[in-house]
Amino acid sequence: ELKVEQNPLFLSMQEGKNYTIYCNYSTTSDRLYWYRQDPGKSLESLFVLLSNGAVKQEGRLMASLDTKARLSTLHITAAVHDLSATYFCASQEAGSYQLTFGKGTKLSVIP
Amino acid sequence: EAQVTQNPRYLITVTGKKLTVTCSQNMNHEYMSWYRQDPGLGLRQIYYSMNVEVTDKGDVPEGYKVSRKEKRNFPLILESPSPNQTSLYFCASSWGRKSYEQYFGPGTRLTVT
Repeated sequence: ELKVEQNPLFLSMQEGKNYTIYCNYSTTSDRLYWYRQDPGKSLESLFVLLSNGAVKQEGRLMASLDTKARLSTLHITAAVHDLSATYFCASQEAGSYQLTFGKGTKLSVIP
Repeated sequence: EAQVTQNPRYLITVTGKKLTVTCSQNMNHEYMSWYRQDPGLGLRQIYYSMNVEVTDKGDVPEGYKVSRKEKRNFPLILESPSPNQTSLYFCASSWGRKSYEQYFGPGTRLTVT
């Protein structure tokens, strides 16, 4: 059974600071996704990581994947208030249609 | 506009009263899926469908049924709802397993009393 663990689950950070969210998964994974969810809203796709060493960047967010360590990271650079949201990673086991989500990281960026 | 729609968006019902939550996508996607979101538990997959008439269980299928008679629709059926099915439900779709992005519907908040 594929397990996905995110940490931290809660993150309060000041504007302008950098931080990293970690996502560990337990078995061989085909791909790794990152999503953003604003309060009361649906999920928005941020990144899809397909291979070892993959790195994707969009604005102040950068995601990477290390399949050997079974670890993905979401790095936040110079945080701004608009980045406040809950971030989920999700892993898809090789050969499977199932998607397993982490519990989410609630990020609050404080002025 | 490409989208996934769900109805109803909010529903309060009583234990045992059968209900259906509809999901429809207009992108000709093959793959559709249902999730429930509960505080502290993240999202958990209930059922998914790889194409018309092809469905399979996710992590938490107990108490739910689905059907996929048309490509665009994937309704979630609760034949005898119970209070532990009170949750926020999301439908999602994508081109297929090889497709990289799932598009999520707006969510349906269900309360079972």
